[in-house]
Amino acid sequence: EVQLVDSGGGLVQPGGSLRLSCATSGFIFTNSWMTWVRQAPGKGLQWVASINPDGSDKYYVDSVKGRFTISRDNAKNSLYLQMKGLRVEETAVYYCGDNDLGWGQGTLVTVSS
Amino acid sequence: QAGLTQPPSVSKGLGQTATLTCTGNSNNVGNQGAVWLQQNQGHPPKILSDRDNNRPSGISERVSASRSGNTVSLTITGLQPEDETDYYCSAWDTNIGAWLFGGGTRLTVL
Repeated sequence: EVQLVDSGGGLVQPGGSLRLSCATSGFIFTNSWMTWVRQAPGKGLQWVASINPDGSDKYYVDSVKGRFTISRDNAKNSLYLQMKGLRVEETAVYYCGDNDLGWGQGTLVTVSS
Repeated sequence: QAGLTQPPSVSKGLGQTATLTCTGNSNNVGNQGAVWLQQNQGHPPKILSDRDNNRPSGISERVSASRSGNTVSLTITGLQPEDETDYYCSAWDTNIGAWLFGGGTRLTVL
């Protein structure tokens, strides 16, 4: 069974940083593209970033380029999202996973002063 | 990055059939297909249909997906109260290198 456990969310001030983690099991992580999406309160799903299986290719939504970094540790079957320069409008539940795999339970990031 | 187009809402009666649509272009839906996701309030999205229109294990046989050109459709037969929730489509865009999402359709079962 595919398991994806997101963690690392919390309250952060505008301009602050946060690192999200996603622990995975139940599938061959080293063969899988992985993705972060987010959902602001009452809004739809928004793709944030994706990374290929060996970590050599990374893709980002325009609004986070230069501030967010997606990475993975294939030895630990884990995915990460380093977020810097956070904005109030980036308050959302962040989900790890992929549309070909499934999604974790999400972790809430609140950006507020 | 522009998204995929879904109607904001669809309403059908109990036991009836609902068909939800999602339109993209030849860079995404047209050549990659699309995934359908169901999301209940306060829960993560759940995959109902993969890019090849196949149902993952555990998804009801009342659910089916199809594609015609740049539009994908999700059909749910014999509507039940538990089908009343939000549905999203998503497709990888090969031109811009991004997952696109539709704005979501709220299905109401009357």
